[in-house]
Amino acid sequence: AQSVTQPDIHITVSEGASLELRCNYSYGATPYLFWYVQSPGQGLQLLLKYFSGDTLVQGIKGFEAEFKRSQSSFNLRKPSVHWSDAAEYFCAVGLSGTYKYIFGTGTRLKVLA
Amino acid sequence: ETGVTQTPRHLVMGMTNKKSLKCEQHLGHNAMYWYKQSAKKPLELMFVYSLEERVENNSVPSRFSPECPNSSHLFLHLHTLQPEDSALYLCASSQGAVGEKLFFGSGTQLSVL
Repeated sequence: AQSVTQPDIHITVSEGASLELRCNYSYGATPYLFWYVQSPGQGLQLLLKYFSGDTLVQGIKGFEAEFKRSQSSFNLRKPSVHWSDAAEYFCAVGLSGTYKYIFGTGTRLKVLA
Repeated sequence: ETGVTQTPRHLVMGMTNKKSLKCEQHLGHNAMYWYKQSAKKPLELMFVYSLEERVENNSVPSRFSPECPNSSHLFLHLHTLQPEDSALYLCASSQGAVGEKLFFGSGTQLSVL
């Protein structure tokens, strides 16, 4: 069965520190992979997506993610976190040929000043 | 981006009430979605409409009834809900199937008493 695992429920980092949020997926076909961010009281906003090509993907707000097929991972990174990055982050897999997206349970990021 | 508008933002209803959630997208997209977001659980896909035809129905109880009168509007009719239906209900739209990013509204926070 398809699934997405985000092993870290909460992460706290200091402003200016680097960040890595983990995502592992289970899907038999070539995945469409996404990272979304949700601020309190808001809907989800796309940070970046991957389907093919360069396995290092650049997104908005200085985020990037790397697809590693051998590890079934799509981890999100940012070299220097800003206080405004505090939010909840969701990894998702899109199932080819459908309208279905499987979301992880999310990682809530707290940024210390 | 604020291309997807949901009303109301908050809704409190009793178990015997009938209410409706409304979603409108101004992006010219041809697919619209209802998702349920509960604490500590992944987003749950409820329904998907493509060109006003329902293409996904994820074993949702019949007390939830979707309606898509045109490609810009989506409704979720609610009746005889249970307290466990309390959640954030998110509407989203996309231009096409998986591979295209989802644009989310800010959601309706529903409380069932």
